[in-house]
Amino acid sequence: KAGVTQTPRYLIKTRGQQVTLSCSPISGHRSVSWYQQTPGQGLQFLFEYFSETQRNKGNFPGRFSGRQFSNSRSEMNVSTLELGDSALYLCASSSGTGGPYEQYFGPGTRLTVT
Amino acid sequence: AQTVTQSQPEMSVQEAETVTLSCTYDTSESDYYLFWYKQPPSRQMILVIRQEAYKQQNATENRFSVNFQKAAKSFSLKISDSQLGDAAMYFCAYRSGGTQGGSEKLVFGKGTKLTVNP
Repeated sequence: KAGVTQTPRYLIKTRGQQVTLSCSPISGHRSVSWYQQTPGQGLQFLFEYFSETQRNKGNFPGRFSGRQFSNSRSEMNVSTLELGDSALYLCASSSGTGGPYEQYFGPGTRLTVT
Repeated sequence: AQTVTQSQPEMSVQEAETVTLSCTYDTSESDYYLFWYKQPPSRQMILVIRQEAYKQQNATENRFSVNFQKAAKSFSLKISDSQLGDAAMYFCAYRSGGTQGGSEKLVFGKGTKLTVNP
């Protein structure tokens, strides 16, 4: 089974621009979660999508948005980029049915905002 | 809101020795799951071990075991016979239980950087 894939792996943007990151979950998984990882704040939950619906949202400004397609692939978008948005963005997929089941993480997208 | 605290930013261990990483959490829920994830320098997050809160027995996965103290809200990870490949950041994570309208949201601690010395 193929793992979680994220594209692109690296991205450099300038302040004020917008960016779209993509995540393809493991086949059969219906839940995709997004996390932001920074040295200062650690791993912070952005949002989770399950069957094309946002099921949970973290404490991030409205500049951060996402969506999920019918094939469970997910995208997250960050508009009006700020320097503080530089981070590793991780997505994780799972069955979405709860229980002690593992979330599988992708390799991440390293976003640098200059 | 649930919080997870890892009080040891860095730990080191000699190869073949045993090391214990600490984690405490705060929650008012009775149904939840706890996880230890490993993030090596390659950055791919990997599940090490999981524990269901309703289970009294501590989880074990080969050289990895946990000491789950529900009343104390403590969830430590013990790595036995440490290997060079164990060197990584280790994150303790919490997830609420329930399957109806639930969420896969993980709440992570800040992590512990483990160094394994040859």
